[in-house]
Amino acid sequence: QLQLQESGPGLVKPSETLSLTCTVSGGSISSSSYYWGWIRQPPGKGLEWIGSIYYSGSTYYNPSLKSRVTISVDTSKNQFSLKLSSVTAADTAVYYCARSGLKNWFDPWGQGTLVTVSS
Amino acid sequence: EIVMTQSPATLSVSPGERATLSCRASQSVSSNLAWYQQKPGQAPRLLIYGASTRATGIPARFSGSGSGTEFTLTISSLQSEDFAVYYCQQYNNWPITFGQGTRLEIK
Repeated sequence: QLQLQESGPGLVKPSETLSLTCTVSGGSISSSSYYWGWIRQPPGKGLEWIGSIYYSGSTYYNPSLKSRVTISVDTSKNQFSLKLSSVTAADTAVYYCARSGLKNWFDPWGQGTLVTVSS
Repeated sequence: EIVMTQSPATLSVSPGERATLSCRASQSVSSNLAWYQQKPGQAPRLLIYGASTRATGIPARFSGSGSGTEFTLTISSLQSEDFAVYYCQQYNNWPITFGQGTRLEIK
């Protein structure tokens, strides 16, 4: 059974870079059948897609965040990562990682990790 | 960017009754639409993909319909565990976009 687990700091200072890692277990991140994505949810609000990566390294980003986002994959560790630069309080959210097929619906999801941007 | 609009924002229904949730896309997404259920403190759970195909393990009381710009999620007989927030998501075009959610509450 595929499982995803987010990890990283729960508190980031304004103007710094948010860094999160998603560890995949129970399956290979190198499968040609899937994308791996990041989605976030500010407290009490809806879902926002951040971006997705293919095992080969091809990436797709939300244009609203593209200038600040980098998603990368480490196939040797079965992990993929998110970096979001120049964060502000508006970036405070629960960050989820998830797998999507080539048709890009998300299943399964990680449990999510809350990242708070505050000094 | 395709804008997904869900209605109503909140729906109050009694257990055992039928719930109908709507999702509208600002342009055609064909059948490239998914529905998710989210309970407090939990990650979203995939219910429906391809507008009408139930995901693995999803009860038959959940059904999806529609294509193009108009979609519906129907829960035929509400159980206590169905009261949650529901999101639609289009994956026809990048960027992937979600609706703002419909909160299904107990009447």
